[in-house]
Amino acid sequence: AQSVAQPEDQVNVAEGNPLTVKCTYSVSGNPYLFWYVQYPNRGLQFLLKYITGDNLVKGSYGFEAEFNKSQTSFHLKKPSALVSDSALYFCAVSSAGSYIPTFGRGTSLIVHP
Amino acid sequence: EAGVVQSPRYKIIEKKQPVAFWCNPISGHNTLYWYRQNLGQGPELLIRYENEEAVDDSQLPKDRFSAERLKGVDSTLKIQPAELGDSAVYLCASSPGPGTSYEQYFGPGTRLTVT
Repeated sequence: AQSVAQPEDQVNVAEGNPLTVKCTYSVSGNPYLFWYVQYPNRGLQFLLKYITGDNLVKGSYGFEAEFNKSQTSFHLKKPSALVSDSALYFCAVSSAGSYIPTFGRGTSLIVHP
Repeated sequence: EAGVVQSPRYKIIEKKQPVAFWCNPISGHNTLYWYRQNLGQGPELLIRYENEEAVDDSQLPKDRFSAERLKGVDSTLKIQPAELGDSAVYLCASSPGPGTSYEQYFGPGTRLTVT
């Protein structure tokens, strides 16, 4: 079985400061990892993915994530947060070659002006 | 390019009534997913279609839920009869299909309230 843990229900950060949203996973074999963002009353929007290759992946809106196999983590990062980044962020994992991801519970990111 | 379209956006029904949700995926996307998202949770897969074939429906409560994708394009998810516990947001997503990218494109969802 595959699973995702997002240990923080909420992350608070000041605008301009770096942000990190944590994600750890469990899966059989190699993982496919994803981050999605959800704004109020909207569907999930794809941010970035790790399938293979470079452990540091870059995505939309200046976000990036680092795949760490030994720690089974895929933390989402951004060097300088914007108020408009405030949203709900979901990490998801699937086993390699699978099209069925398991999503975490989500982390609410609040960026204060 | 138009995104995934879902309707209705909101639905309020009494328990034991039927309800249906409609989804039109991104043009050319062969794979279609239906998810249920409960408050404070991530989406949970109900069913996945490859074209018109349901290839993963193990999480679909088949006693009351049904789905179809007759021509391999748009899809309908039905609940009959609805229960109080069915209150949730029902999300539809699509992706190009096997052998391509793995990310999914989500619609805005239908928020169902069962009273």
